[in-house]
Amino acid sequence: GAGVSQSPSNKVTEKGKDVELRCDPISGHTALYWYRQSLGQGLEFLIYFQGNSAPDKSGLPSDRFSAERTGGSVSTLTIQRTQQEDSAVYLCASSLDILGTEAFFGQGTRLTVV
Amino acid sequence: DQQVKQNSPSLSVQEGRISILNCDYTNSMFDYFLWYKKYPAEGPTFLISISSIKDKNEDGRFTVFLNKSAKHLSLHIVPSQPGDSAVYFCAALISNFGNEKLTFGTGTRLTIIP
Repeated sequence: GAGVSQSPSNKVTEKGKDVELRCDPISGHTALYWYRQSLGQGLEFLIYFQGNSAPDKSGLPSDRFSAERTGGSVSTLTIQRTQQEDSAVYLCASSLDILGTEAFFGQGTRLTVV
Repeated sequence: DQQVKQNSPSLSVQEGRISILNCDYTNSMFDYFLWYKKYPAEGPTFLISISSIKDKNEDGRFTVFLNKSAKHLSLHIVPSQPGDSAVYFCAALISNFGNEKLTFGTGTRLTIIP
Protein backbone atom coordinates (compact mmCIF):
# COMPACT_ATOMS: atom_id res chain seq x y z
CA GLY A 1 0.00 0.00 0.00
CA ALA A 2 0.89 3.65 -0.20
CA GLY A 3 1.32 4.14 3.53
CA VAL A 4 1.57 2.37 6.84
CA SER A 5 -1.70 0.67 7.65
CA GLN A 6 -2.85 -0.27 11.12
CA SER A 7 -5.84 -2.28 12.20
CA PRO A 8 -8.16 -2.04 13.93
CA SER A 9 -8.40 1.73 14.12
CA ASN A 10 -10.35 1.46 17.36
CA LYS A 11 -10.58 -1.37 19.87
CA VAL A 12 -12.58 -1.53 23.08
CA THR A 13 -11.83 -4.53 25.24
CA GLU A 14 -12.64 -5.77 28.69
CA LYS A 15 -9.99 -5.80 31.33
CA GLY A 16 -8.21 -9.14 31.39
CA LYS A 17 -8.78 -9.96 27.73
CA ASP A 18 -5.98 -10.31 25.18
CA VAL A 19 -5.75 -7.98 22.18
CA GLU A 20 -3.78 -8.12 18.98
CA LEU A 21 -2.86 -5.02 17.00
CA ARG A 22 -1.69 -5.24 13.44
CA CYS A 23 0.66 -3.12 11.37
CA ASP A 24 1.30 -3.31 7.64
CA PRO A 25 4.41 -1.27 6.86
CA ILE A 26 5.26 0.41 3.59
CA SER A 27 6.39 -2.21 1.12
CA GLY A 28 10.15 -2.56 1.11
CA HIS A 29 10.67 -0.93 4.49
CA THR A 30 12.85 -3.19 6.58
CA ALA A 31 12.60 -1.25 9.83
CA LEU A 32 9.36 -1.19 11.80
CA TYR A 33 8.62 0.57 15.08
CA TRP A 34 5.85 0.43 17.65
CA TYR A 35 5.05 3.42 19.83
CA ARG A 36 2.39 4.21 22.37
CA GLN A 37 0.81 7.55 23.13
CA SER A 38 -1.12 7.78 26.36
CA LEU A 39 -3.40 10.69 27.20
CA GLY A 40 -1.26 13.75 27.88
CA GLN A 41 1.95 11.86 27.26
CA GLY A 42 4.49 11.94 24.50
CA LEU A 43 5.24 9.10 22.20
CA GLU A 44 6.69 6.17 24.11
CA PHE A 45 8.92 3.80 22.20
CA LEU A 46 7.97 0.15 22.64
CA ILE A 47 9.96 -1.97 20.21
CA TYR A 48 11.54 -1.95 16.78
CA PHE A 49 12.22 -4.61 14.20
CA GLN A 50 15.02 -4.81 11.69
CA GLY A 51 13.67 -7.39 9.31
CA ASN A 52 12.07 -10.04 11.51
CA SER A 53 14.31 -9.56 14.50
CA ALA A 54 13.80 -7.23 17.43
CA PRO A 55 17.21 -6.36 18.91
CA ASP A 56 15.79 -4.03 21.54
CA LYS A 57 12.78 -5.10 23.59
CA SER A 58 13.56 -2.87 26.53
CA GLY A 59 10.72 -0.50 25.79
CA LEU A 60 7.98 -3.06 26.29
CA PRO A 61 6.18 -1.99 29.50
CA SER A 62 5.71 -5.48 30.90
CA ASP A 63 5.85 -9.16 30.01
CA ARG A 64 2.20 -8.93 29.00
CA PHE A 65 3.39 -7.15 25.86
CA SER A 66 4.93 -9.03 22.96
CA ALA A 67 5.45 -8.35 19.29
CA GLU A 68 6.40 -10.32 16.28
CA ARG A 69 7.06 -9.70 12.65
CA THR A 70 6.91 -12.29 9.92
CA GLY A 71 8.24 -12.24 6.40
CA GLY A 72 9.84 -8.88 7.04
CA SER A 73 6.46 -7.30 6.59
CA VAL A 74 3.38 -7.44 8.82
CA SER A 75 3.86 -7.01 12.54
CA THR A 76 1.51 -7.77 15.41
CA LEU A 77 1.64 -6.31 18.87
CA THR A 78 -0.08 -8.51 21.43
CA ILE A 79 -1.18 -7.39 24.86
CA GLN A 80 -2.23 -10.18 27.20
CA ARG A 81 -4.53 -9.75 30.18
CA THR A 82 -5.13 -6.10 29.34
CA GLN A 83 -5.25 -3.55 32.13
CA GLN A 84 -6.86 -0.11 32.14
CA GLU A 85 -3.46 1.56 32.04
CA ASP A 86 -2.90 -0.07 28.65
CA SER A 87 -5.48 2.30 27.19
CA ALA A 88 -3.63 4.45 24.67
CA VAL A 89 -3.09 5.04 20.97
CA TYR A 90 -0.65 2.51 19.59
CA LEU A 91 1.29 3.82 16.61
CA CYS A 92 3.33 1.86 14.11
CA ALA A 93 5.98 3.37 11.87
CA SER A 94 8.29 2.04 9.21
CA SER A 95 11.41 3.31 7.54
CA LEU A 96 13.47 2.15 4.62
CA ASP A 97 16.13 0.70 6.86
CA ILE A 98 17.43 1.02 10.36
CA LEU A 99 19.42 4.07 9.35
CA GLY A 100 16.41 5.59 7.63
CA THR A 101 15.68 8.39 9.96
CA GLU A 102 12.46 9.39 8.25
CA ALA A 103 9.87 7.11 9.70
CA PHE A 104 6.37 7.06 8.26
CA PHE A 105 3.60 6.54 10.74
CA GLY A 106 0.27 4.78 10.51
CA GLN A 107 -2.95 6.27 11.82
CA GLY A 108 -2.73 4.34 15.03
CA THR A 109 -5.00 2.00 16.94
CA ARG A 110 -6.92 3.54 19.81
CA LEU A 111 -7.20 0.91 22.52
CA THR A 112 -9.66 1.39 25.34
CA VAL A 113 -9.67 -1.09 28.18
CA VAL A 114 -12.88 -0.99 30.23
CA ASP B 1 13.78 9.94 32.82
CA GLN B 2 12.67 12.27 30.05
CA GLN B 3 15.67 12.55 27.75
CA VAL B 4 13.89 14.84 25.29
CA LYS B 5 11.91 17.67 26.80
CA GLN B 6 9.44 20.09 25.38
CA ASN B 7 8.66 22.36 28.26
CA SER B 8 5.85 24.28 26.62
CA PRO B 9 2.76 22.11 26.29
CA SER B 10 1.01 24.76 24.23
CA LEU B 11 1.72 27.87 22.20
CA SER B 12 -0.53 30.39 20.44
CA VAL B 13 0.75 32.59 17.64
CA GLN B 14 -0.92 35.13 15.41
CA GLU B 15 -1.17 34.20 11.74
CA GLY B 16 1.73 35.66 9.77
CA ARG B 17 4.02 35.85 12.79
CA ILE B 18 6.91 33.55 13.66
CA SER B 19 6.26 30.39 15.67
CA ILE B 20 9.17 29.11 17.72
CA LEU B 21 8.97 25.68 19.28
CA ASN B 22 11.69 24.61 21.67
CA CYS B 23 13.18 21.29 22.63
CA ASP B 24 15.92 20.32 25.10
CA TYR B 25 17.71 17.02 25.43
CA THR B 26 19.93 15.50 28.06
CA ASN B 27 21.69 12.64 26.27
CA SER B 28 24.86 13.94 24.63
CA MET B 29 24.98 10.81 22.48
CA PHE B 30 22.03 11.98 20.40
CA ASP B 31 23.31 12.96 16.99
CA TYR B 32 20.21 13.28 14.84
CA PHE B 33 17.11 15.30 15.60
CA LEU B 34 13.71 15.38 13.98
CA TRP B 35 10.48 17.29 14.21
CA TYR B 36 7.14 15.60 13.65
CA LYS B 37 3.76 17.22 13.21
CA LYS B 38 0.56 15.55 14.31
CA TYR B 39 -3.02 16.43 13.52
CA PRO B 40 -5.85 15.02 15.64
CA ALA B 41 -6.74 11.40 14.84
CA GLU B 42 -3.72 11.04 12.57
CA GLY B 43 -0.26 9.60 13.04
CA PRO B 44 2.69 11.96 13.25
CA THR B 45 4.26 13.03 9.97
CA PHE B 46 7.89 13.86 9.49
CA LEU B 47 8.56 17.57 9.11
CA ILE B 48 12.27 18.38 9.17
CA SER B 49 15.49 16.98 10.61
CA ILE B 50 19.00 18.05 11.45
CA SER B 51 22.25 16.20 11.97
CA SER B 52 24.51 17.14 14.83
CA ILE B 53 27.19 18.20 12.37
CA LYS B 54 24.99 21.13 11.39
CA ASP B 55 23.55 23.99 13.36
CA LYS B 56 20.79 24.94 10.96
CA ASN B 57 18.57 23.27 8.41
CA GLU B 58 15.98 25.09 6.36
CA ASP B 59 13.05 23.80 4.32
CA GLY B 60 10.63 26.40 3.05
CA ARG B 61 8.89 28.06 5.96
CA PHE B 62 10.49 25.67 8.43
CA THR B 63 13.94 26.07 9.95
CA VAL B 64 15.47 23.97 12.68
CA PHE B 65 18.33 25.31 14.76
CA LEU B 66 20.61 23.14 16.86
CA ASN B 67 22.77 24.36 19.74
CA LYS B 68 24.81 21.34 20.76
CA SER B 69 26.59 23.01 23.66
CA ALA B 70 23.23 23.93 25.18
CA LYS B 71 21.61 20.65 24.11
CA HIS B 72 18.81 22.68 22.64
CA LEU B 73 16.99 22.78 19.35
CA SER B 74 14.20 24.91 18.05
CA LEU B 75 11.79 24.88 15.16
CA HIS B 76 10.91 28.17 13.53
CA ILE B 77 7.88 28.54 11.30
CA VAL B 78 7.78 31.74 9.28
CA PRO B 79 5.19 32.94 8.46
CA SER B 80 2.77 30.92 10.54
CA GLN B 81 -0.39 29.75 8.80
CA PRO B 82 -3.67 28.35 10.19
CA GLY B 83 -2.81 24.93 8.74
CA ASP B 84 0.22 24.84 10.99
CA SER B 85 -2.06 24.33 14.01
CA ALA B 86 -1.08 20.88 15.28
CA VAL B 87 0.96 19.11 17.92
CA TYR B 88 4.68 19.20 17.22
CA PHE B 89 6.95 16.47 18.55
CA CYS B 90 10.69 16.80 18.85
CA ALA B 91 12.60 13.52 18.53
CA ALA B 92 16.21 12.47 18.83
CA LEU B 93 18.24 9.39 18.11
CA ILE B 94 21.70 7.92 18.25
CA SER B 95 22.42 6.81 14.71
CA ASN B 96 24.57 3.78 15.52
CA PHE B 97 23.62 0.86 13.40
CA GLY B 98 21.46 -1.50 15.40
CA ASN B 99 20.81 1.00 18.14
CA GLU B 100 18.36 3.31 16.51
CA LYS B 101 15.55 4.32 18.74
CA LEU B 102 13.62 7.50 18.35
CA THR B 103 13.12 9.25 21.66
CA PHE B 104 10.26 11.70 21.59
CA GLY B 105 9.37 14.72 23.62
CA THR B 106 5.87 15.14 24.99
CA GLY B 107 4.83 17.56 22.27
CA THR B 108 3.79 21.19 21.99
CA ARG B 109 0.32 22.11 20.77
CA LEU B 110 0.62 25.03 18.38
CA THR B 111 -2.47 27.11 17.69
CA ILE B 112 -2.33 29.72 14.95
CA ILE B 113 -4.81 32.51 15.52
CA PRO B 114 -6.28 33.92 12.29
